Amino acid sequence: EAGVTQSPTHLIKTRGQQATLRCSPISGHTSVYWYQQALGLGLQFLLWYDEGEERNRGNFPPRFSGRQFPNYSSELNVNALELEDSALYLCASSLQQGVRNTIYFGEGSWLTVV
Amino acid sequence: GESVGLHLPTLSVQEGDNSIINCAYSNSASDYFIWYKQESGKGPQFIIDIRSNMDKRQGQRVTVLLNKTVKHLSLQIAATQPGDSAVYFCAENMASGYSTLTFGKGTMLLVSP
Repeated sequence: EAGVTQSPTHLIKTRGQQATLRCSPISGHTSVYWYQQALGLGLQFLLWYDEGEERNRGNFPPRFSGRQFPNYSSELNVNALELEDSALYLCASSLQQGVRNTIYFGEGSWLTVV
Repeated sequence: GESVGLHLPTLSVQEGDNSIINCAYSNSASDYFIWYKQESGKGPQFIIDIRSNMDKRQGQRVTVLLNKTVKHLSLQIAATQPGDSAVYFCAENMASGYSTLTFGKGTMLLVSP
């Protein structure tokens, strides 16, 4: 069974541009989570989607946004890119929210802003 | 705000030793805890989890201990191998509403042959 898959693996953008990252959850999982991991730092929670709805949002500016599609895949959009947005963006998925289900991570998308 | 933290940033052990990685949490409402392993350039890999109604859980070569009295979590790795070298994160989740996993900063485990 396929795990959480993310694309692209690497992305280089210029400051001020927009970046779009994509995630496909494990089959049967309805919840998708996005985390940012800057170099040498821990995982910072960005967004959580379940059944197409945004359930929770971390302490990030509005230029970080996303959505979840009917097939439960998800997109993370980062507008007006800044140099400090350079990081590994991790997507994770779990079974339906409301119970303490294990969250499984993908391998991440490396975003470099120059 | 409340957060999960780790006592040691780096732990160096010899192959074959047992390793213990510690984690302190401050939110008494947390009821679910997970340990993840992250190798360089990869996403975090689930190792083991434990719920607050338990104080010990064992997996293959790993044991997680939960002490709710002092809000402390530990991961024990038996017969540590070079392949165990990675950053280990503990994460907590709370019982209410739309809470999400909060991660500590991580501990680097270095295993020497």
